[in-house]
Amino acid sequence: EAQVTQNPRYLITVTGKKLTVTCSQNMNHEYMSWYRQDPGLGLRQIYYSMNVEVTDKGDVPEGYKVSRKEKRNFPLILESPSPNQTSLYFCASSLSNSGSSHEQFFGPGTRLTVL
Amino acid sequence: AQSVTQPDIHITVSEGASLELRCNYSYGATPYLFWYVQSPGQGLQLLLKYFSGDTLVQGIKGFEAEFKRSQSSFNLRKPSVHWSDAAEYFCAVVPITDSWGKLQFGAGTQVVVTP
Repeated sequence: EAQVTQNPRYLITVTGKKLTVTCSQNMNHEYMSWYRQDPGLGLRQIYYSMNVEVTDKGDVPEGYKVSRKEKRNFPLILESPSPNQTSLYFCASSLSNSGSSHEQFFGPGTRLTVL
Repeated sequence: AQSVTQPDIHITVSEGASLELRCNYSYGATPYLFWYVQSPGQGLQLLLKYFSGDTLVQGIKGFEAEFKRSQSSFNLRKPSVHWSDAAEYFCAVVPITDSWGKLQFGAGTQVVVTP
């Protein structure tokens, strides 16, 4: 089944404790991105990746890191989480960035709480 | 400034009644247009998309959307709502000038369906 998976689905942590949220897709998509969803703000892009070893900042990158060492995986890293990073996080992927390939497929989300 | 606006934060509709969700965008050129639905505790699912051509677009789950260039709008409609349509709905765009294909989301409209 074609899908985007994220782990963990739920995470409660404390300020300053490094964490990684994994994202994996099995559709051989080139383009992957991370979003955070906050009430009243919709989804905002954190980082995106056009292909292996090609990443760039989105609208709200502060406090986050990413890596793309393999095409299928795009982990989100919070080196020193803070309470304002409490949010619902989504990973998404698409075939490419052109034409109808703009359709992005979303993972189920990771609800992160930073105490 | 470029933006996607969903004027209605919350809509309550009776089961069997019609539903219309509004979406307006502000971009120099008509962007690629999308509607996503997020059911409680779920990720985002694409309902429909518009790139060009026929301005009335049919999607999944009985939804349709109409693109109106003169009004910079892409409103979502469903003739008869089912209880399972209770969810949050997001309008999103990809600016044609954005070579990286970043989705810009509206703030979302929460739909409540009453018996």
